[in-house]
Amino acid sequence: AQSVAQPEDQVNVAEGNPLTVKCTYSVSGNPYLFWYVQYPNRGLQFLLKYITGDNLVKGSYGFEAEFNKSQTSFHLKKPSALVSDSALYFCAVREGTGGFKTIFGAGTRLFVKA
Amino acid sequence: EAGVAQSPRYKIIEKRQSVAFWCNPISGHATLYWYQQILGQGPKLLIQFQNNGVVDDSQLPKDRFSAERLKGVDSTLKIQPAKLEDSAVYLCASSLATVNEQYFGPGTRLTVT
Repeated sequence: AQSVAQPEDQVNVAEGNPLTVKCTYSVSGNPYLFWYVQYPNRGLQFLLKYITGDNLVKGSYGFEAEFNKSQTSFHLKKPSALVSDSALYFCAVREGTGGFKTIFGAGTRLFVKA
Repeated sequence: EAGVAQSPRYKIIEKRQSVAFWCNPISGHATLYWYQQILGQGPKLLIQFQNNGVVDDSQLPKDRFSAERLKGVDSTLKIQPAKLEDSAVYLCASSLATVNEQYFGPGTRLTVT
């Protein structure tokens, strides 16, 4: 069965510093991987996805994520954090073949301090 | 481009009552999803439609929850009768196809007292 884990409930980083939000997954076959962000009082928004190809994918608002097949990870990164990046981040995975269901992680709350 | 619309935004009911939620996906999106998001958790898929057919409802409590997608466009999710543990945000999302990213509506916050 597919699963996704976000090992950190919360990540704290100072503005201007690089940030990483971790995600690991388990699927049979090749995964489709996604990151979504939820700002306070707003709906979930798509950030980026990995389907195939280059392991480093770039998305909205300067975020990027690196797919690592051997470590079954898909960590979200940003070179320089902004206070406005403070939000709840969700990693999601879908099986590449045969499955339709997308599984979301429990979420990681990011706090960026000025 | 209009986003995913949901109504109502908030609903308070007593346990054992019934409630219905409505969702209008982005035009042209074949896949529609209903999620339940309990506070502090990630969204949990309840049901997924491809056009007007169900492709996954494995986590839908079918004794009390039902959903339909009329003519492959709008969808309704119903709970009857509601329990206290149904208190959550119900999210609707749509995508062009199952492999694509999902676009979420604002959600309906349900409180069961």
